[in-house]
Amino acid sequence: DTGVSQNPRHKITKRGQNVTFRCDPISEHNRLYWYRQTLGQGPEFLTYFQNEAQLEKSRLLSDRFSAERPKGSFSTLEIQRTEQGDSAMYLCASSQEGQHTEAFFGQGTRLTVV
Amino acid sequence: AQTVTQSQPEMSVQEAETVTLSCTYDTSESDYYLFWYKQPPSRQMILVIRQEAYKQQNATENRFSVNFQKAAKSFSLKISDSQLGDAAMYFCAYRSWGDKIIFGKGTRLHILP
Repeated sequence: DTGVSQNPRHKITKRGQNVTFRCDPISEHNRLYWYRQTLGQGPEFLTYFQNEAQLEKSRLLSDRFSAERPKGSFSTLEIQRTEQGDSAMYLCASSQEGQHTEAFFGQGTRLTVV
Repeated sequence: AQTVTQSQPEMSVQEAETVTLSCTYDTSESDYYLFWYKQPPSRQMILVIRQEAYKQQNATENRFSVNFQKAAKSFSLKISDSQLGDAAMYFCAYRSWGDKIIFGKGTRLHILP
């Protein structure tokens, strides 16, 4: 069990480009969360999955953001037509619903939009 | 909607002393969980301590303990015998049963040698 893995760790992109991040949860964890964190702030909820089903998507999330978890294992978060305001740390976390109450976090992907 | 409020953006404590971080939350649920997470600089978030709302006894993990006041919707974290390695951002978090976790804005804790 190697923990929650996120790739890439850092991404620099030009405004208007699309980016995709990957999260590999702890194996057998059925729940997966995505959060966004800006400097000095708390994690802001984006979306979460139970197995492959997306249970909730934040109303703050624009249509440029989409997330998938096609086989109930790894997940991807795509941001289309990136804007400078998208620059942040994107955190992924996982848990085994019914066994854990807390979530286990990855190290995050830091996105810089220039 | 549930909210979590941390009113202390920054705090400082002398090494070996005790410090208390405050957290309040708002919910209409009766069954929920509360957490304190620690995020050291440039490192990943880790769980410090967990409290189930149905338990009246305050949770304790070594030097870390909480003061859970359900009626007041208050959940403070006490760190005893502060160590340099305790320097980090601390986030209070809430989740109701089966739902997502929501976080406060955090408190940055400085440890003074």
